[in-house]
Amino acid sequence: EAGVAQSPRYKIIEKRQSVAFWCNPISGHATLYWYQQILGQGPKLLIQFQNNGVVDDSQLPKDRFSAERLKGVDSTLKIQPAKLEDSAVYLCASSVGQGPFNEQFFGPGTRLTVL
Amino acid sequence: RKEVEQDPGPFNVPEGATVAFNCTYSNSASQSFFWYRQDCRKEPKLLMSVYSSGNEDGRFTAQLNRASQYISLLIRDSKLSDSATYLCVVTRPNQGGKLIFGQGTELSVKP
Repeated sequence: EAGVAQSPRYKIIEKRQSVAFWCNPISGHATLYWYQQILGQGPKLLIQFQNNGVVDDSQLPKDRFSAERLKGVDSTLKIQPAKLEDSAVYLCASSVGQGPFNEQFFGPGTRLTVL
Repeated sequence: RKEVEQDPGPFNVPEGATVAFNCTYSNSASQSFFWYRQDCRKEPKLLMSVYSSGNEDGRFTAQLNRASQYISLLIRDSKLSDSATYLCVVTRPNQGGKLIFGQGTELSVKP
C-alpha cells in the first residue's frame, strides 16, 4: 500500500517569497493533517481536515498560511509571505478517521529553509 | 510551561543496556497517550500506545500514571537500531485526532 506522498522534499526561498506544499494521503483516509516541526521540537498541528472540511485550524497563522483540500483527497499548504521563523519541516499525515485511536501515518515531509 | 515535557537527552548507552525515558503532561484531562519514534531526518512513526495497565511489546514497555501525569518508556537489551528520537504524545478530549507532541528524547546506542 502506498504511503503518504509529499512534494517537494526540499525548498529554499528568501523571506517574503511565497511557497506551496502538496500532500496526497493514503487512499481512503478521510482525515488529513498538516504539522510543522521546527528543529529540536516535536511536530505541532497546523490544520486538520475531515474530507474537505476544516476540523481544527486554531494554530494556523492565518495571516500568512492557508490550506485547502478541495476534493477531499490531496491537499496544499501555502505560505505567503514567508518569514525566517517558518524554516521547518512540514509534515502531512492521514488517518482513516478522526478519533485518537485512528493511527496517523506521516509522509516524509517537506524541509523548508527561509533565507 | 509546555503541555508535554521530555528530557531532550541525548542518552548515550552501550548495546544491551536498559534505558528509560520519562514524560510529564500538564493537562489532567488528556485522553490518550502514545510513544512515537522518529529516525534522523525521517517522519515520526507510532511505536506503541500507552495504557493505565501498562503494556509491553517485545523489548519495549510503556507505563502511564494518571495521578502523577507521568508516562514512561523502557527499552531493554538496546540494539544499535534503537537509535532514534522518542516522542511522547498525548491527545485532548473532544479534539479528534489532534496529537500534542513533546520535544522528543534522543537515544544513541553505541557498539
